[in-house]
Amino acid sequence: DGGITQSPKYLFRKEGQNVTLSCEQNLNHDAMYWYRQDPGQGLRLIYYSQIVNDFQKGDIAEGYSVSREKKESFPLTVTSAQKNPTAFYLCASELRDRHYGYTFGSGTRLTVV
Amino acid sequence: DQQVKQNSPSLSVQEGRISILNCDYTNSMFDYFLWYKKYPAEGPTFLISISSIKDKNEDGRFTVFLNKSAKHLSLHIVPSQPGDSAVYFCAASDGPGTASKLTFGTGTRLQVTL
Repeated sequence: DGGITQSPKYLFRKEGQNVTLSCEQNLNHDAMYWYRQDPGQGLRLIYYSQIVNDFQKGDIAEGYSVSREKKESFPLTVTSAQKNPTAFYLCASELRDRHYGYTFGSGTRLTVV
Repeated sequence: DQQVKQNSPSLSVQEGRISILNCDYTNSMFDYFLWYKKYPAEGPTFLISISSIKDKNEDGRFTVFLNKSAKHLSLHIVPSQPGDSAVYFCAASDGPGTASKLTFGTGTRLQVTL
């Protein structure tokens, strides 16, 4: 049963710590994306990747880093440089068939404590 | 600069009536539009899409209308059901060139009441 899996569902981070959010897909999708959702601000693009070993910054990349070593995996690291990391993070993948857009994971809620 | 706008943060509709959710955009390069539905603590799910070469697309109870000259699209849900209560995001794409990355609106929370 194909899908996109994000883990963990909830994550707590102390000030100054880096944390990594996992995103795995078994849909054989080429492109993968990370979005952040804040109340009243919709979804904002952090990073995206079209192919393995290649990725581009989105609109709010500062304080984040990614890697794409495998087609199936696109982990996001929230670094200590991200000043306001508390948010709901969504990973998505795309088959490049524009009729269906993205398939989203169920999200990770990150809270700084 | 918000290129995709959903000016109504919330909407309440009675069960059985029509729900109309609106979306405006400013980028004339956008040529593909999608609607997503999102429940709390879950990822959005694709609902319906429309290409800029069309002005209407239907799928069951859901119809999307596109008015290119006004840079406006709307989602109609008829009849509305309690399970339709969710946040609805419109999204726009400016072409498959690099990645067809989507620009999302801020969402409209629909509540369907009994």
